[in-house]
Amino acid sequence: AQKVTQAQTEISVVEKEDVTLDCVYETRDTTYYLFWYKQPPSGELVFLIRRNSFDEQNEISGRYSWNFQKSTSSFNFTITASQVVDSAVYFCALSEPDSGYSTLTFGKGTMLLVSP
Amino acid sequence: EAGVTQFPSHSVIEKGQTVTLRCDPISGHDNLYWYRRVMGKEIKFLLHFVKESKQDESGMPNNRFLAERTGGTYSTLKVQPAELEDSGVYFCASSQDPGSGANVLTFGAGSRLTVL
Repeated sequence: AQKVTQAQTEISVVEKEDVTLDCVYETRDTTYYLFWYKQPPSGELVFLIRRNSFDEQNEISGRYSWNFQKSTSSFNFTITASQVVDSAVYFCALSEPDSGYSTLTFGKGTMLLVSP
Repeated sequence: EAGVTQFPSHSVIEKGQTVTLRCDPISGHDNLYWYRRVMGKEIKFLLHFVKESKQDESGMPNNRFLAERTGGTYSTLKVQPAELEDSGVYFCASSQDPGSGANVLTFGAGSRLTVL
């Protein structure tokens, strides 16, 4: 079974639309970390956010916001008023104590295409 | 600050040949990681160096893969002999000692390997 599931393979929106990328994870640990990374066309993975399992407050950074729901094991990512530059592959990832929190388990990624 | 640099960006080789991928981490980052993404699948962990020592190599697929990090600076990942299923994008990442909590990894743009 996948530990990190990103059920949406590809999403297409028109500029200025809001879009939510889903991430569901699976872990037996009570302490863990969740991440989102963005992979633009240039290829590198760009860190967006890290969230500790004990911090369930939602976070907002500009047009980006994250909704962490421990009860449903989800860590969803919303882009408000999407822009063409948001087009990228977005990866959700989990870090657990058995690796000393030093390695990441990734989902398959969601490709977001924002058209003008 | 220079980011994580990987070379080559793309390599095309015949089955049975050898390829060596190189990663230059961010200066001062003791932790260096190799990950791989096979087309359409998750990004999967291969191994983790702390300075020149292999901390965790549980993700290495088989003994055709050899990773080294001489002197605790740059790292190489050699595939010998390459097989068709080795095709994919190999990502390198580095991080500082996190102190408490999970590492935030800085990734390179990846080396795309195509085995024909």
